[in-house]
Amino acid sequence: QKEVEQNSGPLSVPEGAIASLNCTYSDRGSQSFFWYRQYSGKSPELIMSIYSNGDKEDGRFTAQLNKASQYVSLLIRDSQPSDSATYLCAVKRDTNAGKSTFGDGTTLTVKP
Amino acid sequence: DTGVSQDPRHKITKRGQNVTFRCDPISEHNRLYWYRQTLGQGPEFLTYFQNEAQLEKSRLLSDRFSAERPKGSFSTLEIQRTEQGDSAMYLCAIQNSPDRAFYGYTFGSGTRLTVV
Repeated sequence: QKEVEQNSGPLSVPEGAIASLNCTYSDRGSQSFFWYRQYSGKSPELIMSIYSNGDKEDGRFTAQLNKASQYVSLLIRDSQPSDSATYLCAVKRDTNAGKSTFGDGTTLTVKP
Repeated sequence: DTGVSQDPRHKITKRGQNVTFRCDPISEHNRLYWYRQTLGQGPEFLTYFQNEAQLEKSRLLSDRFSAERPKGSFSTLEIQRTEQGDSAMYLCAIQNSPDRAFYGYTFGSGTRLTVV
């Protein structure tokens, strides 16, 4: 079992819809949680981070964290074709130092 | 400009040859990471530096891999006696500054290695 699990997809949503991406993790000691976006052939780009239970909103993106259920999600509102990418979930035990462990990503396609 | 420069962007090498990659953060960052990514997989941790000190190395990393960060600025990753299974994208990352309120990474553009 991988430490960070994501549905590989592909997830397809129409333009303007809400895309919902999910991630579960196995290490209960995880303290920091991240979502990265990766376009094909490019390196990952940090889009959201969350440390406390609940929701965190940044523009069209909302990250949700439930540590009791070991679950992190990313909602993308008003999805645009430019949001089509692979979304990587990453978790970290130590907020400051140490490594992040990545899931294998969910591929999102937003259809015009 | 991602804040991290990696060189070369692409490398094709014959099996058994040694290769070296370089990572240059544009500004001073004390924490620097190396990851490897293959198609369809997420980045896999290789090693991590705090300043010059290599603090953690993945147990999956064979003795053929070595990394250095001699002056706490740029870093090199060397693979000796390359194998076809080493073909991957090698990513360097810096941890974002605490005052940005993010503790995630900024990745370089990566070095794509192909072993033939």
